[in-house]
Amino acid sequence: KAGVTQTPRYLIKTRGQQVTLSCSPISGHRSVSWYQQTPGQGLQFLFEYFSETQRNKGNFPGRFSGRQFSNSRSEMNVSTLELGDSALYLCASSLRVVDRIIQETQYFGPGTRLLVL
Amino acid sequence: ELKVEQNPLFLSMQEGKNYTIYCNYSTTSDRLYWYRQDPGKSLESLFVLLSNGAVKQEGRLMASLDTKARLSTLHITAAVHDLSATYFCAVDPLPTYGGATNKLIFGTGTLLAVQP
Repeated sequence: KAGVTQTPRYLIKTRGQQVTLSCSPISGHRSVSWYQQTPGQGLQFLFEYFSETQRNKGNFPGRFSGRQFSNSRSEMNVSTLELGDSALYLCASSLRVVDRIIQETQYFGPGTRLLVL
Repeated sequence: ELKVEQNPLFLSMQEGKNYTIYCNYSTTSDRLYWYRQDPGKSLESLFVLLSNGAVKQEGRLMASLDTKARLSTLHITAAVHDLSATYFCAVDPLPTYGGATNKLIFGTGTLLAVQP
């Protein structure tokens, strides 16, 4: 089956602008998580959505936001871009469980590489 | 604060040799994942370890989990050049309500370079 897809793959923006990134999970997966990867900070969790609700949030400023649609597709938005927001943004999808049922791993998309000038 | 530490950060090894990457974490968890990342690429899932004593093997890689010691290892047997990549471990901290959080905390990564 098709994997996680992310669009766009590459993006160049200037400081102060805003950006919206899109993620389509694997068919049937209802949980979507977002991560930021930079050389200095490594891989950091941004937030997770399940059934259109944000379930978990990482330690990022309010400029970072997201949402999930009824078809499980997700978007993340970064407003008032800063140079430090330049990073690879990865989306991951998985089957979320409520009770302690064996959980499938998170499957990552190819990422969106954002460069802020 | 949950910390996930990997060592070594960089590993240069010759083909045919064996080595182990270590992943220590600082909180209670029984869910640990190993991923591989090639340069400029995304993360590829290698192993999911879901209980104490879990051991999984795929080809030349074997991963294990000791939840009491809060330690996971990724053992490489008879390395080949194709294994050159960055390897990450990631922990899903146990939430108070049970289940999984899907909030993975990643280690710093181990850059593996296998020399012919």
